[in-house]
Amino acid sequence: AQTVTQSQPEMSVQEAETVTLSCTYDTSESDYYLFWYKQPPSRQMILVIRQEAYKQQNATENRFSVNFQKAAKSFSLKISDSQLGDAAMYFCAYRSALGDMRFGAGTRLTVKP
Amino acid sequence: EPEVTQTPSHQVTQMGQEVILRCVPISNHLYFYWYRQILGQKVEFLVSFYNNEISEKSEIFDDQFSVERPDGSNFTLKIRSTKLEDSAMYFCASRDGRLTDTQYFGPGTRLTVL
Repeated sequence: AQTVTQSQPEMSVQEAETVTLSCTYDTSESDYYLFWYKQPPSRQMILVIRQEAYKQQNATENRFSVNFQKAAKSFSLKISDSQLGDAAMYFCAYRSALGDMRFGAGTRLTVKP
Repeated sequence: EPEVTQTPSHQVTQMGQEVILRCVPISNHLYFYWYRQILGQKVEFLVSFYNNEISEKSEIFDDQFSVERPDGSNFTLKIRSTKLEDSAMYFCASRDGRLTDTQYFGPGTRLTVL
């Protein structure tokens, strides 16, 4: 079974600075998809960024980018120029080509003004 | 932009009662999912649904749970006899069927079992 590990329960960053959230996963599959979801206090799940495993190029969405290391099974999220609105729980998730999503335990990000 | 909707936003029920949580997936999507998140814990997969049948379910999804797509738009999760430990946030998600596609989540229904 696939597992997703987020080793940082909490992270803190100063506004306008950069923070990196870690995620590792375990799988024997070659085709899969990785995601970062943001969950603000409203508890809605909001897609931040996605990465297809067959793509070598790291995904980027504005201030959000990933460092995807397939051999190491690592998928970290970098948030640049952090804003107060970035404060939330961040969940890393894995989905096989045909299957359901598996989520990590989450990292609570605090942004300090 | 199309989005997944869920009703109600908050449901309070007595232990042992039946509840039905409703979801309207994005209209051209083919795969539907339910997840739950107990307060302070991670999101857990419950069930996936495709072509009017369950395609996969987790060990959490026991006989107390059922899903249905009663018409062309709604996707429901029924809990037959609620327990205190069923209190959680329940998320519906859908995707359009391309292998590369993302699941889009609804805003969730907070279920409180007293």
